Amino acid sequence: EVQLLESGGGLVQPGGSLRLSCAVSGFALRSYSMSWVRQAPGKGLEWVSAMSESGDTKYYADSVKGRFTISRDISTNTLHLQMDSLRAEDTAVYYCAKAVSWSRPFFDFWGQGTLVTVSS
Amino acid sequence: DIQMTQSPSSLSASVGDRVTITCRASQGISNYLAWYQQKPGKAPKFLIYYASSLQSGVPSKFSGSGSGTDFTLTISNLQPEDFATYYCEQYYSYPVTFGQGTRLEIK
Repeated sequence: EVQLLESGGGLVQPGGSLRLSCAVSGFALRSYSMSWVRQAPGKGLEWVSAMSESGDTKYYADSVKGRFTISRDISTNTLHLQMDSLRAEDTAVYYCAKAVSWSRPFFDFWGQGTLVTVSS
Repeated sequence: DIQMTQSPSSLSASVGDRVTITCRASQGISNYLAWYQQKPGKAPKFLIYYASSLQSGVPSKFSGSGSGTDFTLTISNLQPEDFATYYCEQYYSYPVTFGQGTRLEIK
């Protein structure tokens, strides 16, 4: 059974950092592309970042480029999102999502989400 | 970036009704479109891919169509569990983008 479990969310001050994790089971991270998608309170879905199956290619939304970094640990089957220089507008529920493939990134499995609140 | 526009933004319907939601892309995306259902406080649930292919386990009351720039999601015989927010997503190119959502409410 495929499962994705996010952790690491919380309250952080503007300018601060946070590292999100997504522990996956039921499949191997090295075999699938993964993305982070966020949802601000009461708003729609916004894609944030993606990593290819090989891990060699990483893409970011313009809104987070230069501040967020996607990575993974194959040994623990865990995806990460390092978030630096956080802003109020980064406040959202962050979901990790498994893509069917890198070239056709629609998402067949999602985690339950972790809430990030950026506020002083 | 490819912009996705859904209409309507909200929709009221009754149990047993059939409804259609539209999604329009700002440029042609062939059939690289997916649909998701989201209930309050829950993660999105994957419904349809390649505009009209039903994900395994999704009831046949859901159907999708379209190609190029115009797409539709149709839900027939609405049941209480179908009242949720629906999103389209284009995966023709990065950055993938979502429509703003259509909230389906009980009349």
